[in-house]
Amino acid sequence: GDSVTQMEGPVTLSEEAFLTINCTYTATGYPSLFWYVQYPGEGLQLLLKATKADDKGSNKGFEATYRKETTSFHLEKGSVQVSDSAVYFCALSDSSASKIIFGSGTRLSIRP
Amino acid sequence: EAQVTQNPRYLITVTGKKLTVTCSQNMNHEYMSWYRQDPGLGLRQIYYSMNVEVTDKGDVPEGYKVSRKEKRNFPLILESPSPNQTSLYFCASSSRDRYNEQFFGPGTRLTVL
Repeated sequence: GDSVTQMEGPVTLSEEAFLTINCTYTATGYPSLFWYVQYPGEGLQLLLKATKADDKGSNKGFEATYRKETTSFHLEKGSVQVSDSAVYFCALSDSSASKIIFGSGTRLSIRP
Repeated sequence: EAQVTQNPRYLITVTGKKLTVTCSQNMNHEYMSWYRQDPGLGLRQIYYSMNVEVTDKGDVPEGYKVSRKEKRNFPLILESPSPNQTSLYFCASSSRDRYNEQFFGPGTRLTVL
């Protein structure tokens, strides 16, 4: 079945460092891809999305590009801030299944 | 303010004592869903509902029940909780045509002793 694999955390970076969180997927159809973020003590929030190959999703300085050839959707940010500390979930959805499949999450901690 | 609310936020109970976690949304969303979050496993879907009186099993439905009698409410029922249901639970909702852009509640941390 469809699945999402994320890099294991935790990831610890200094403020203003470059961030990459890897995400790859397995899907039989043509899924939409998402990054959700969970700040401490809160529910998940949609961060960005891409619905077809080569689409780039972006929000709050984060970007991810839908790469069909490598089945990847890596999350990047050029200069992280302490406020970016959170757990990040990569996810996919297939319209035929009417559901979202989440990865296991990557905890990100940013040092001042 | 558009939101999904859950109650209670924290609950400690004992094995076998029936409990209900409520979920309510004020966005007139058709789609609602329950997830559990466990370390290293991410979020797993328990049940979902596409509309009133329509519910379906997710990936881990065993030991849980749901109902959707009104559009805004989607309670999660544990008839006989067991320790392996200790987890963090999230309710989520979305519109029918954008079901994958879900709004999440703040979570309910359940401990079953």
